[in-house]
Amino acid sequence: DTGVSQDPRHKITKRGQNVTFRCDPISEHNRLYWYRQTLGQGPEFLTYFQNEAQLEKSRLLSDRFSAERPKGSFSTLEIQRTEQGDSAMYLCASSHETVAYNEQFFGPGTRLTVL
Amino acid sequence: DAKTTQPNSMESNEEEPVHLPCNHSTISGTDYIHWYRQLPSQGPEYVIHGLTSNVNNRMASLAIAEDRKSSTLILHRATLRDAAVYYCITKTSYDKVIFGPGTSLSVIP
Repeated sequence: DTGVSQDPRHKITKRGQNVTFRCDPISEHNRLYWYRQTLGQGPEFLTYFQNEAQLEKSRLLSDRFSAERPKGSFSTLEIQRTEQGDSAMYLCASSHETVAYNEQFFGPGTRLTVL
Repeated sequence: DAKTTQPNSMESNEEEPVHLPCNHSTISGTDYIHWYRQLPSQGPEYVIHGLTSNVNNRMASLAIAEDRKSSTLILHRATLRDAAVYYCITKTSYDKVIFGPGTSLSVIP
């Protein structure tokens, strides 16, 4: 296992289109997180899964955003009716709940540009 | 979650030690102190963590003040590959990491 992978790495879309991103966590990790990062800022938490259950959602996650983790393995993040303000880097991370200090392993991110 | 404050940016000469400070005056007794770094065009990566005692690993050392209101990440010999944004984080739950703006470290050859 080479770490957390994300696909695609880059996505350019027109305003109003829907986009979907995929995250494959480290195989034995049961926790999965999505973050959003804009230029010059630290990543902002969006949502968190433990196995297939979505346990927390940030208020940043508007109704246009939906995340799933079927079967507790890979996860998808969908943005409907994209807006220019959605342009950002979307980061996925995973961790294992038995590690007390919860080291999170991050993927390389998907950079979204909304024209 | 306890708030952390860090300098916006720092510079270091290559091969010299770097001390990156962090203040976390509202930290609770059970909060771990974590450091992550983010290299250009990459996702963040874990660097080190500690609770009360100073910690060393292959990447860095973490010096924690006796009152735990501040800590310092120490890179013993900065290399060009250490140029990154360094985030100091404290959190009480295991479900997310709360990032601040971090310290952007530049390493001068």
